[in-house]
Amino acid sequence: AQKVTQAQTEISVVEKEDVTLDCVYETRDTTYYLFWYKQPPSGELVFLIRRNSFDEQNEISGRYSWNFQKSTSSFNFTITASQVVDSAVYFCALSEDRYAGGYNKLIFGAGTRLAVHP
Amino acid sequence: EADIYQTPRYLVIGTGKKITLECSQTMGHDKMYWYQQDPGMELHLIHYSYGVNSTEKGDLSSESTVSRIRTEHFPLTLESARPSHTSQYLCASSELTSDTQYFGPGTRLTVL
Repeated sequence: AQKVTQAQTEISVVEKEDVTLDCVYETRDTTYYLFWYKQPPSGELVFLIRRNSFDEQNEISGRYSWNFQKSTSSFNFTITASQVVDSAVYFCALSEDRYAGGYNKLIFGAGTRLAVHP
Repeated sequence: EADIYQTPRYLVIGTGKKITLECSQTMGHDKMYWYQQDPGMELHLIHYSYGVNSTEKGDLSSESTVSRIRTEHFPLTLESARPSHTSQYLCASSELTSDTQYFGPGTRLTVL
């Protein structure tokens, strides 16, 4: 069965600290996709990244970086030099590959609430 | 950049009222979804659609209903609202061949 675990319920850091949000997933498929979404206090979910199971290269986008390791079924997200605007709930999600036009279900983790204090 | 809209953003109503939450997207996406979420908590899929005239129930049982008469429009209706329906409702859409879902701003519903 598919499952996404975000063991960190809440993280509190001071501005400029680096912070890593953990995501561990379970799936029996060999082809799947992993996602991170950000939900700021305003409520909308903002898409951050999508990574397929065949691409284990780490990715960096500004202060954000993602570490995908199939050996440990993890897709961790690091924010470097955190800022107050990074305060949000962050969700990790998993999707299995299906035929085109089918329903590709997104399985979300429970989310990690990040508070960045000045 | 996703163009998906939800109205109203906030709604406070009394028990027993009929309400419709609107969701529209201008990206031509075939697939659309409704999620229910208590603030900052897990997302629960309640409805989805592959395209026009296609609707399916999601993982979480819901008393709401949906329709998909036009590609861009996916409204959610509650015939008789109850306090247990108080929650945030998030609409999302994706391309037919993609898993990436783009979300609207959400509707925060409070039923008194």
